[in-house]
Amino acid sequence: AQKITQTQPGMFVQEKEAVTLDCTYDTSDPSYGLFWYKQPSSGEMIFLIYQGSYDQQNATEGRYSLNFQKARKSANLVISASQLGDSAMYFCAMREALNAGNMLTFGGGTRLMVKP
Amino acid sequence: GAGVSQSPSNKVTEKGKDVELRCDPISGHTALYWYRQSLGQGLEFLIYFQGNSAPDKSGLPSDRFSAERTGGSVSTLTIQRTQQEDSAVYLCASSLVGGGARDTQYFGPGTRLTVL
Repeated sequence: AQKITQTQPGMFVQEKEAVTLDCTYDTSDPSYGLFWYKQPSSGEMIFLIYQGSYDQQNATEGRYSLNFQKARKSANLVISASQLGDSAMYFCAMREALNAGNMLTFGGGTRLMVKP
Repeated sequence: GAGVSQSPSNKVTEKGKDVELRCDPISGHTALYWYRQSLGQGLEFLIYFQGNSAPDKSGLPSDRFSAERTGGSVSTLTIQRTQQEDSAVYLCASSLVGGGARDTQYFGPGTRLTVL
C-alpha cells in the first residue's frame, strides 16, 4: 500500500488566489513527521514546512500552512496568495520514528501551475 | 558553501561503464542521504549515513550500487556496470542530527545521470 498519496497530478490556480494541495498518509507509527517540499524546474528540492504527529496546532510558514487532520491521516498544504514563482512540483513526505533509517517516504507529487 | 552541493550536475555515460557521483553536505550536518528520482519510480531512498555508524543500505537496488562517506563529510555514490534503468536524477540530502521530530533534510541540486 502507498504510504503517501497525492491524488492531484496537476493543478491550475489563478495568481493571488489560494490553493490546497492534498496529501494523505498511512502509518501505524504513533510518532511521525510530515514534510512538504517544492521542486521547481531547476530540480532542487526546497523544504517548505513541517508538521509533527504530536503537534497540537497546524504548522504555518509565511504563505504556507498545513491543514493537518490526524484522524483522517491527511496533511494538505495551503498556499495563500499564489505567485507565478509558486509554479513547481510539490511533494509530501513522511518520516516514521520507528524507521531506524530515518529516510523520507515521498508521494508522487502535484504539479502546480499558477496562471497570470 | 551554505547548502548541499553535488557534482557533476549532469553525467552521460555508456552502458556498462562505472560512474561516481559526489555529495558535499551542509557543514555540521551529521546525517547524509541519497535518493533517486525517476519518472517511473518517483523518489526512492537509497542509503543513509549517520555519523560513524554503519550506513543503512536498505534502499540500494542492486549490488552494483555502493556509497561511502569519508571523514563524516563528503559522500560518493558509485554505480558499477551502469544499465539504462539507472538513468535518473540522484539527489543527496543532509540533516543536522539524523533523527528527532524536527530533523529536516535539506537537498542538493541533484545529478542527472543518463545511461546510453
